[in-house]
Amino acid sequence: DIVLTQSPATLSLSPGERATLSCRASQDVVDFLAWYQQKPGQAPRLLIYDASNRATGIPARFSGSASGTDFTLTISSLEPEDFAVYYCQQRSSWPPTFGQGTRLEIK
Amino acid sequence: QVQLQQWGAGLVKPSETLSLTCAVNGGSLTGYYWNWIRQSPGNGLEWIGQISHSGGINYNPSLKSRVTILVDTSKNQISLNLSSVTAADTAMFFCARSHISRQLTFDSWAQGTLVTVSS
Repeated sequence: DIVLTQSPATLSLSPGERATLSCRASQDVVDFLAWYQQKPGQAPRLLIYDASNRATGIPARFSGSASGTDFTLTISSLEPEDFAVYYCQQRSSWPPTFGQGTRLEIK
Repeated sequence: QVQLQQWGAGLVKPSETLSLTCAVNGGSLTGYYWNWIRQSPGNGLEWIGQISHSGGINYNPSLKSRVTILVDTSKNQISLNLSSVTAADTAMFFCARSHISRQLTFDSWAQGTLVTVSS
């Protein structure tokens, strides 16, 4: 199975700051990588698919990029509702796999 | 807008079968895959398997011997059975939708069901 390694495990920032979350794949996943946001007590929500495409209804402050096996989720200016756990997930190889998550917390 | 609603037993005894159902409200099964995903503190998010409206099925090899996913098109429902459960199967279980064009990208999720395996 493809292993996705997310870093950092926890990111402490203030509202208005820029957040940069990373996900590294253990092998090539092309651009078949998605990002999800999960808040306590809720299901994950799709933010970005295929590395850089925003899902329906996702604000423009969320963006994704890729460089080889390294993927980045950027939140340009944090809003209070953005503090949550973020997961990456690959669909390049069966079975699909998820990263272990990055917790974005208020500093 | 489609809504997924799931239900099932929250407590299952070891060696028994876990059963969950997911209803698709406000949308059609056609054109999508319907997935089961679980989440636990120890294993994180783990994809269990998927089924299409026509019955096409894919399972995670790690669980394939114990998993059955079914579709009931007359009720617009999908079901999950996981047999011979152990404490390691304790998790939050989600059903989720994926479009046939990106069948492993999960764009809509149910609220989840916490299943505890304990005697």
